[in-house]
Amino acid sequence: DVKVTQSSRYLVKRTGEKVFLECVQDMDHENMFWYRQDPGLGLRLIYFSYDVKMKEKGDIPEGYSVSREKKERFSLILESASTNQTSMYLCASSLYREITEAFFGQGTRLTVV
Amino acid sequence: DQQVKQNSPSLSVQEGRISILNCDYTNSMFDYFLWYKKYPAEGPTFLISISSIKDKNEDGRFTVFLNKSAKHLSLHIVPSQPGDSAVYFCAAVGYGMNYGGSQGNLIFGKGTKLSVKP
Repeated sequence: DVKVTQSSRYLVKRTGEKVFLECVQDMDHENMFWYRQDPGLGLRLIYFSYDVKMKEKGDIPEGYSVSREKKERFSLILESASTNQTSMYLCASSLYREITEAFFGQGTRLTVV
Repeated sequence: DQQVKQNSPSLSVQEGRISILNCDYTNSMFDYFLWYKKYPAEGPTFLISISSIKDKNEDGRFTVFLNKSAKHLSLHIVPSQPGDSAVYFCAAVGYGMNYGGSQGNLIFGKGTKLSVKP
């Protein structure tokens, strides 16, 4: 079974803190994605990566950065957390560039106070 | 501008009946579609997908229909069970300049919350 693991289920951080969300997949997938889910807005793509050290902006990259130093790990970084970044963050991976299926992690519920 | 639309935020059906969840898209270049199911505080799980070369794909109680001319797809669940109660997301695979070039990307709708009543 493909496993996508996010480092934390729940996080509470203070405004202005630098926050790291980690995601690891164990199936040698090429593509990895970070989404956030907010009520009434669905899943919105923040960043994605199709190879080590490669990254592309999604629909809402402002206030975020990413890092992919190893194929299995994709990190989302909130440079200076703000309350409007309180959300559910979801990491996903897929095998090929031509996506036919993507697997999600369990999600990280981040609260910024 | 929303490329994938799920116009019904919620749907309630009786156990044993059919659930029909709808999804519309605007970009005729989309050629692959997926449905995900999501429980609260969990990540989405893949349900079923369909390629644009097909008009139907079936997997057990789940069937997805694609009408390319109408840019519409639907997920049918028969019979519906209380355990099906969740939020269902429709997603399209996009390519091209708006979606990072040749790299594929998943574009999601806002979801439909399905409640199946016993």
